[in-house]
Amino acid sequence: EAGVAQSPRYKIIEKRQSVAFWCNPISGHATLYWYQQILGQGPKLLIQFQNNGVVDDSQLPKDRFSAERLKGVDSTLKIQPAKLEDSAVYLCASSSRLAGDNGELFFGEGSRLTVL
Amino acid sequence: GEDVEQSLFLSVREGDSSVINCTYTDSSSTYLYWYKQEPGAGLQLLTYIFSNMDMKQDQRLTVLLNKKDKHLSLRIADTQTGDSAIYFCAVLSGNTGKLIFGQGTTLQVKP
Repeated sequence: EAGVAQSPRYKIIEKRQSVAFWCNPISGHATLYWYQQILGQGPKLLIQFQNNGVVDDSQLPKDRFSAERLKGVDSTLKIQPAKLEDSAVYLCASSSRLAGDNGELFFGEGSRLTVL
Repeated sequence: GEDVEQSLFLSVREGDSSVINCTYTDSSSTYLYWYKQEPGAGLQLLTYIFSNMDMKQDQRLTVLLNKKDKHLSLRIADTQTGDSAIYFCAVLSGNTGKLIFGQGTTLQVKP
């Protein structure tokens, strides 16, 4: 079974530029998550999708971050304009959230963003 | 709000047992997880426990849950150098459905 795919793995941009990250979840997983992991910290949830609808985006800085999941499959996360404090690893995860399962999230390898 | 706390660093000798501790605040938690993160890699689920259990054993891993004190621990028996990584405690809220992570414990295993 293919895992969660993310691209690009690494991105370096200057502040005020824009960047987009892409995620393809495990086939059949209805729930998709974007987490931000700043160096030395645990992952912080940015946005959670159930199919193509947003379940939770309470911690997404909506003035500069946006995310979409068209057709309920893959997703993109965009940052425009980027700030220095956006330097982090952006992790995508998916889960099936079927009744009776353990709620496990499957993570991609992440996209590491450096803002100069 | 929901909060998950872990100690930041643990150093052990190869062959010893490691115990990583976690405390949380959400009393509606359903599942509690331990994830492992190696350098440059994503998070990998190690083990999990359902909130109505006190203990779960899986080969070298033992998870203990004290729901009254909201305390979770992970014991790794016979710790190996390959166990060196960052370990994250994560709690799934029954109220919000959100998975909240601790800040991670770096485990250093010395030969």
